[in-house]
Amino acid sequence: DADVTQTPRNRITKTGKRIMLECSQTKGHDRMYWYRQDPGLGLRLIYYSFDVKDINKGEISDGYSVSRQAQAKFSLSLESAIPNQTALYFCATRRDGDSGANVLTFGAGSRLTVL
Amino acid sequence: QKEVEQNSGPLSVPEGAIASLNCTYSDRGSQSFFWYRQYSGKSPELIMSIYSNGDKEDGRFTAQLNKASQYVSLLIRDSQPSDSATYLCAVNKFEIQGAQKLVFGQGTRLTINP
Repeated sequence: DADVTQTPRNRITKTGKRIMLECSQTKGHDRMYWYRQDPGLGLRLIYYSFDVKDINKGEISDGYSVSRQAQAKFSLSLESAIPNQTALYFCATRRDGDSGANVLTFGAGSRLTVL
Repeated sequence: QKEVEQNSGPLSVPEGAIASLNCTYSDRGSQSFFWYRQYSGKSPELIMSIYSNGDKEDGRFTAQLNKASQYVSLLIRDSQPSDSATYLCAVNKFEIQGAQKLVFGQGTRLTINP
């Protein structure tokens, strides 16, 4: 099994629908992240969480919300999806205490299409 | 100014040649720098990390860091078709509250021509 599992891997939805992307990890890492990738724009940080009680906005959090249900689970929600949220979404984890390392482990990605 | 900038390419290099990928960053306080490789439709994978000025070599890959110029590069020697991918530069950024997060460049698409 993958260390970082994202579901669903692909989703096509309509404008206005609520969508949840889920991420679970078996690495025991404290820190979890949601990134969005668009062609030519690299990876942009949506939200990140350093533990269950700590949620932080990234650079493009508008239109998204997250929930850290447990150390191993971090979900991303689009309350009312719009077409410009069509993108590839990645969940990533990092172990706390990596002095200067900041090495991320990525999930396989969730491709979302909003029609 | 973007926090991390890369030439988006595409960069085309003949097989066996040296591929040179460049990245600049804006936060002078950054201490950790990373290169990720991403094949089409796949997730990024870490290939190099560098923390000190100078060169760091790992097989055919060499990362170069110049903090004074806020510049980091990746050299790929003896380029192979399997090196064709998008290469993402990532820089750690310190937040006001002391937390760190990685900021990525837009990626450079590299194609190695047989």
